[in-house]
Amino acid sequence: DGGITQSPKYLFRKEGQNVTLSCEQNLNHDAMYWYRQDPGQGLRLIYYSQIVNDFQKGDIAEGYSVSREKKESFPLTVTSAQKNPTAFYLCASSIQGLRGELFFGEGSRLTVL
Amino acid sequence: GIQVEQSPPDLILQEGANSTLRCNFSDSVNNLQWFHQNPWGQLINLFYIPSGTKQNGRLSATTVATERYSLLYISSSQTTDSGVYFCAVVGVTNAGKSTFGDGTTLTVKP
Repeated sequence: DGGITQSPKYLFRKEGQNVTLSCEQNLNHDAMYWYRQDPGQGLRLIYYSQIVNDFQKGDIAEGYSVSREKKESFPLTVTSAQKNPTAFYLCASSIQGLRGELFFGEGSRLTVL
Repeated sequence: GIQVEQSPPDLILQEGANSTLRCNFSDSVNNLQWFHQNPWGQLINLFYIPSGTKQNGRLSATTVATERYSLLYISSSQTTDSGVYFCAVVGVTNAGKSTFGDGTTLTVKP
C-alpha cells in the first residue's frame, strides 16, 4: 500500500543524545516536511524539502537537522542542542510541491529522560 | 506570517447533534486543509478546500476565501467523531509553508 512510514513510533533517550527519526514515502511525492506537536497545541514546521538534495528551515529549526539524499526519504535528527526535545513528531509529504495537499505519517513520540 | 484562529477551542456534543467548526485566517491563501487527529495522534485528511464547498458523507466544508474563513460542518455526530480538528493554510506570501491553527477538541458523548 502507498503511504508514509515513520519509525520508530515510540522512542526514549537520555538527555544529551542525538536521535534520528525515519520518514519514508512511496507515494512519489516531491515535497516532504517535518512537524512538531506539543500537548494541546497545533503543529509547527521544523524543516521542509521540495526536491532531492535541497531543504529549508521552517519556523522552529534550531536544534534539528535533516537530509534529503533520496526522493522517498527525509530523516530528522534531534540533536543535543534542542532544549525541549520531548514531543510528537509528524512527517508529511505532498505531490504538488509546497502548495499541494499534505498527507501525514502516523508520527513518532520522543521522550527524553 | 499568516495567523490561523480556530473556534471554539472545545466542543462537547451529544451523539446525533450537529456542529460547526470555524477557521479564520489573516491573509489570502493558496491552500486550506481540514484534518481530524484521532486519539492515537494520526492526522486524517478530511478536505482540501482553498475555496468553495465540498461534502463527504456527514461532513462538509465551505471556504470563503474573500472573507478569509472556512467552516467545517459535522452532522449527526458519532462518538468516533471525537478528537481534535485542525485547519491548516498556506498563505500566498508564506513560501509554501503550511500554518496550523491550535485546533478544536470535539467530544461526542453517547
